[in-house]
Amino acid sequence: QSALTQPASVSGSPGQSITISCSGTSSDVGNYNLVSWFQHHPGKAPKLMIFEDSKRPSGVSTRFSGSKSGTTASLTISGLQAEDEADYYCSSYAGSRTLIFGGGTKLTVL
Amino acid sequence: QVQLVQSGAEVKKPGSSVKVSCKTSGGTLNNYAIAWVRQAPGQGLEWMGTIIPVFGSANYAQKFQGRVSITTDGSTTTAYMELNSLTSDDTAMYFCARAEMLRWNFDLWGQGTLVTVSS
Repeated sequence: QSALTQPASVSGSPGQSITISCSGTSSDVGNYNLVSWFQHHPGKAPKLMIFEDSKRPSGVSTRFSGSKSGTTASLTISGLQAEDEADYYCSSYAGSRTLIFGGGTKLTVL
Repeated sequence: QVQLVQSGAEVKKPGSSVKVSCKTSGGTLNNYAIAWVRQAPGQGLEWMGTIIPVFGSANYAQKFQGRVSITTDGSTTTAYMELNSLTSDDTAMYFCARAEMLRWNFDLWGQGTLVTVSS
């Protein structure tokens, strides 16, 4: 079970859009519509931003969107705001009631 | 508003075990998937295992097989994660999280429990 592959860091200026990729395999990301994205501020509990590839939980800003093509999922944040600065993790169901996370991406708002 | 409330911070000796609890403030955990996730200092989130109480047994990450046990109590209001044979590498923040069964949308998280392993 290798971790999903995410870029270590991304950055953008306020108002811009950024996209974070999450690369998996045909056994996880590519086989199930169960990719989630979490926002994590150090010392706090992770917050679910996207589930089932592209669905937003109630209360999550519409600036956050998820998509997937084959074995790569993506999180796009539009209209970047200072408060979006955080670590972002993708996860995917991997069969047999197992879960796998990405290595995490540090988002810096310039 | 339902919360998951975890037990307090622990300091353990190498070779010992730790058992962390995760209690729901409302209803039961019966029809949910409960995952345990940890974050070591400077590292990312790491899935340890998941239990779906209605299915009974838990599933674990290969890395922790044989060393971790995830259970629920009889009333299924509390989940537990027990980790054995602790080393300094197990020093981490441990989180429990709840998802709708089979949707794997972990939208409710505990506050985290810091486990420090030190001689």
